[in-house]
Amino acid sequence: DMKVTQMPRYLIKRMGENVLLECGQDMSHETMYWYRQDPGLGLQLIYISYDVDSNSEGDIPKGYRVSRKKREHFSLILDSAKTNQTSVYFCASSPGTAQDTQYFGPGTRLLVL
Amino acid sequence: QQKVQQSPESLTVSEGAMASLNCTFSDRSSDNFRWYRQHSGKGLEVLVSIFSDGEKEEGSFTAHLNRASLHVFLHIREPQPSDSALYLCAVSRGTGSKLSFGKGAKLTVSP
Repeated sequence: DMKVTQMPRYLIKRMGENVLLECGQDMSHETMYWYRQDPGLGLQLIYISYDVDSNSEGDIPKGYRVSRKKREHFSLILDSAKTNQTSVYFCASSPGTAQDTQYFGPGTRLLVL
Repeated sequence: QQKVQQSPESLTVSEGAMASLNCTFSDRSSDNFRWYRQHSGKGLEVLVSIFSDGEKEEGSFTAHLNRASLHVFLHIREPQPSDSALYLCAVSRGTGSKLSFGKGAKLTVSP
């Protein structure tokens, strides 16, 4: 059963604190993604990773960075979180490119106070 | 940049009545279309993928693509209350990895 996991599921941080969101997949997928979902804006792509240490900015990368040191793990880092980064963050993975189905994790709800 | 719009924003149907959702895209060269479903507080699950004009059926879900008119539809046959969710259209072009999503359509199926 193909699975994408995300940790933590819920997180409350104060403005200025660092945030680490973790994503894992057990399908040996090459490509992984980070999105955020906000009411009225839909899903927005933050970063794509094509494989280990091969990352590319998405549509809204400002304020975020990523790390992929193992194929099965992809981390999203917020250095000095801002209140406008309060959102639901989704990780996804696909075998190759967007031509392949993207499989999504359950999401992380982040509240930045 | 690809624009993906969905209509209606919300829809309520009775249990067993057909539900139809519309997705309009802007790039006529798009060749990869997917419908996802998201139950409240959950992640996205893919329902049906379609890559050429015509219809593609997966269980009670049918996608209908007409690239000339820039539309892809999702028809849900005999929906149940458990089908109440947010439905998202996703579109991409070529071998690039960026998927463009619509904002979603909220479907409510009343018993």
